[in-house]
Amino acid sequence: AQSVTQLGSHVSVSEGALVLLRCNYSSSVPPYLFWYVQYPNQGLQLLLKYTSAATLVKGINGFEAEFKKSETSFHLTKPSAHMSDAAEYFCAVSGVRTGGYNKLIFGAGTRLAVHP
Amino acid sequence: GAGVSQTPSNKVTEKGKYVELRCDPISGHTALYWYRQSLGQGPEFLIYFQGTGAADDSGLPNDRFFAVRPEGSVSTLKIQRTERGDSAVYLCASSLTRGALKNNEQFFGPGTRLTVL
Repeated sequence: AQSVTQLGSHVSVSEGALVLLRCNYSSSVPPYLFWYVQYPNQGLQLLLKYTSAATLVKGINGFEAEFKKSETSFHLTKPSAHMSDAAEYFCAVSGVRTGGYNKLIFGAGTRLAVHP
Repeated sequence: GAGVSQTPSNKVTEKGKYVELRCDPISGHTALYWYRQSLGQGPEFLIYFQGTGAADDSGLPNDRFFAVRPEGSVSTLKIQRTERGDSAVYLCASSLTRGALKNNEQFFGPGTRLTVL
């Protein structure tokens, strides 16, 4: 079985400060891991994904995440927050994978607020 | 190109009524997923279609929920005898399922917000 825990339902940072959103996973198979962002009244947008290649994954909008198997973590970071980064962020792990099937199991989400 | 679209964007209904939610996936995408996102929660898997068939419906909460994809493109999620607890945003996603699995990104629609009064 797979599960995801996102520590901190709300995170607030100053513009220009480091963004760190935490994600820990549990998986009975080698995981694929994802970070999605959701802006108000919009669909989920993929930020980045880990699929067993490089452990440091770079995504869009300056975000990156590092897969640490020993810590079962996949934390999302960005060196310098912008006001436009304010959104809800979801970490997800893929479930059982056969053929094209890739059911996603999501964490509860972290709402990021960026203040001037 | 066009992304995943969902209609209606908002649906308000009364307890006990029947509703249908529609999803138009990206053209050519063979895989289609439905998820439900309750307030303050992450999306939860409901059902997965590969082509016309429901390959995994293990996430449907009970027999009031049903989904179809008769021609392998558009899908409809149907909810009978709606209850207040069904209120949520229903998300649809599609993916290509061609080549390596790791490249099969799911593209999400904007969702349908269902409110059951």
